[in-house]
Amino acid sequence: DAGVIQSPRHEVTEMGQEVTLRCKPISGHDYLFWYRQTMMRGLELLIYFNNNVPIDDSGMPEDRFSAKMPNASFSTLKIQPSEPRDSAVYFCASRFRRYYGYTFGSGTRLTVV
Amino acid sequence: AQSVSQHNHHVILSEAASLELGCNYSYGGTVNLFWYVQYPGQHLQLLLKYFSGDPLVKGIKGFEAEFIKSKFSFNLRKPSVQWSDTAEYFCAVNAGSSNTGKLIFGQGTTLQVKP
Repeated sequence: DAGVIQSPRHEVTEMGQEVTLRCKPISGHDYLFWYRQTMMRGLELLIYFNNNVPIDDSGMPEDRFSAKMPNASFSTLKIQPSEPRDSAVYFCASRFRRYYGYTFGSGTRLTVV
Repeated sequence: AQSVSQHNHHVILSEAASLELGCNYSYGGTVNLFWYVQYPGQHLQLLLKYFSGDPLVKGIKGFEAEFIKSKFSFNLRKPSVQWSDTAEYFCAVNAGSSNTGKLIFGQGTTLQVKP
């Protein structure tokens, strides 16, 4: 199994631009999570999906952030417009309901200048 | 609200020293508990997990953790650390029903092992 795959690994963009982060969960996993990691705030859960349906998006910082999961094998996290304070590492994770371990992707390091 | 507290933010040890990292959570019901490790520049990897049964859980790389329900604690231990254990360690809890989904992380503990 290739694990959770995220792209791109690194993204540098200018303030105001749209940024799209991508995630492919492990096949068969029915939960998908988006986390953000910063030095100041640690690991924050942004949103998670169950069977492609958003369950809890209370961690999404503001309306500039949106996430979709059009099918079981793909999810996107979009920031529009991006701001310097969005600079962080964004992790995607997936899990299978009967197995409580979460598998994390390698993350996307986002830098907004 | 559920929360996870890791007492030590930065720990420095010499090789062969023993390690114990503290973790406390706030939730009165059934919990699933995890320790993850993040090596520099890498993603989080699962060290060990507790669901039920024996409160002493053994994980990979010689790590173990003990669940003490009365103290709401899940401390991570290793008898003898190696330089390669230098990393950040996260305690996490998934509280309530197994289908709740949310995994709440502590702030992390940075472990530096001196050769």
